[in-house]
Amino acid sequence: ETGVTQSPTHLIKTRGQQVTLRCSSQSGHNTVSWYQQALGQGPQFIFQYYREEENGRGNFPPRFSGLQFPNYSSELNVNALELDDSALYLCASRTGTGGLYGYTFGSGTRLTVV
Amino acid sequence: EDQVTQSPEALRLQEGESSSLNCSYTVSGLRGLFWYRQDPGKGPEFLFTLYSAGEEKEKERLKATLTKKESFLHITAPKPEDSATYLCAVQAGDSNYQLIWGAGTKLIIKP
Repeated sequence: ETGVTQSPTHLIKTRGQQVTLRCSSQSGHNTVSWYQQALGQGPQFIFQYYREEENGRGNFPPRFSGLQFPNYSSELNVNALELDDSALYLCASRTGTGGLYGYTFGSGTRLTVV
Repeated sequence: EDQVTQSPEALRLQEGESSSLNCSYTVSGLRGLFWYRQDPGKGPEFLFTLYSAGEEKEKERLKATLTKKESFLHITAPKPEDSATYLCAVQAGDSNYQLIWGAGTKLIIKP
């Protein structure tokens, strides 16, 4: 149990459809990041939210969007799914204070686009 | 461009055979270097954060070290349960906190 919960664990969608992935962090963890991890690769940064506002974005198109809620949950939405969107999607919560910190990851959602 | 390279891609060891994994990085102002362990189909599990050259951290059979250009993850007398992919990530000073990852080293420990 890492304190970061993601749902669903697995999902199969058809090309062109839309998907919403969910993440729940521990109380007080104001910063959440989303990553995409293709098979055999390291994770790629999608975006980060701090206190419900996006404050960083990686090299992903606008069809990848997100929300963060006051109850420390967040969503990743992907529109117009493409085959290359098939990957493990990871949510991470920033923990620690000041200069000493780390990132706790959930177990991920495995998305398959067919 | 900020970049992280891990080597080797895969490493097979006998139980008890010590070795080291390498993480080389180029980044504009290192804010932190992170080591994670990832089991198949799971999210990365945090191991260490290193902040400045010369810093070392240990946890059980693992020891991480940091220089200005690279980090090493030393594994001493590994056991089969240490088998996993080990990922390295860096955070640059001007990065809006995003982590830049290597592709990982897949470690297999044979009994």
